[in-house]
Amino acid sequence: GAGVSQTPSNKVTEKGKYVELRCDPISGHTALYWYRQSLGQGPEFLIYFQGTGAADDSGLPNDRFFAVRPEGSVSTLKIQRTERGDSAVYLCASSLRQNNEQFFGPGTRLTVL
Amino acid sequence: SQQGEEDPQALSIQEGENATMNCSYKTSINNLQWYRQNSGRGLVHLILIRSNEREKHSGRLRVTLDTSKKSSSLLITASRAADTASYFCATSGGYNKLIFGAGTRLAVHP
Repeated sequence: GAGVSQTPSNKVTEKGKYVELRCDPISGHTALYWYRQSLGQGPEFLIYFQGTGAADDSGLPNDRFFAVRPEGSVSTLKIQRTERGDSAVYLCASSLRQNNEQFFGPGTRLTVL
Repeated sequence: SQQGEEDPQALSIQEGENATMNCSYKTSINNLQWYRQNSGRGLVHLILIRSNEREKHSGRLRVTLDTSKKSSSLLITASRAADTASYFCATSGGYNKLIFGAGTRLAVHP
């Protein structure tokens, strides 16, 4: 079956713009995670969904970041008023249930000019 | 913030040699996982070891976990050029929110 997919693979935007990053998890996976990875670092947790609800959004850096998962499948990470410091690879992962192996997508490389 | 640290930060070896990477973490865990990443993109899950396990094998991979020292090691035996990648350990506390280290960059030379 298909793995986790993310679109777009690359996104270049200007400072101050709004962006949306999409994640399609593996079918049937109830848990979905967003991470952000800066160059030379490991991924950092942003937010976790169990079904439709955000069970933990403690990793979101500020209120410019928001994520939704309205039907418990596809998720969208939204960033308002982008800043150059938001430039990173945004990774999405899903797992069948909590405490299981997480399967990662290829990521979206966001560049804010 | 990151949970722990991998050691070494970079490792360069010849094909056929073994590669050992270490990971230390700070808080109690449910499990610890190792991932591989090529070219700064998708992470590939290698192995998961639970907090009540001490050693686990998968093919050429051997992982150990010492919860008293809050450390883990990943051994890749008989390395190949295709093993060149960054390797990350990630710890899981409650519901599997993963906290990653900064990674070890492994280069295997033919």
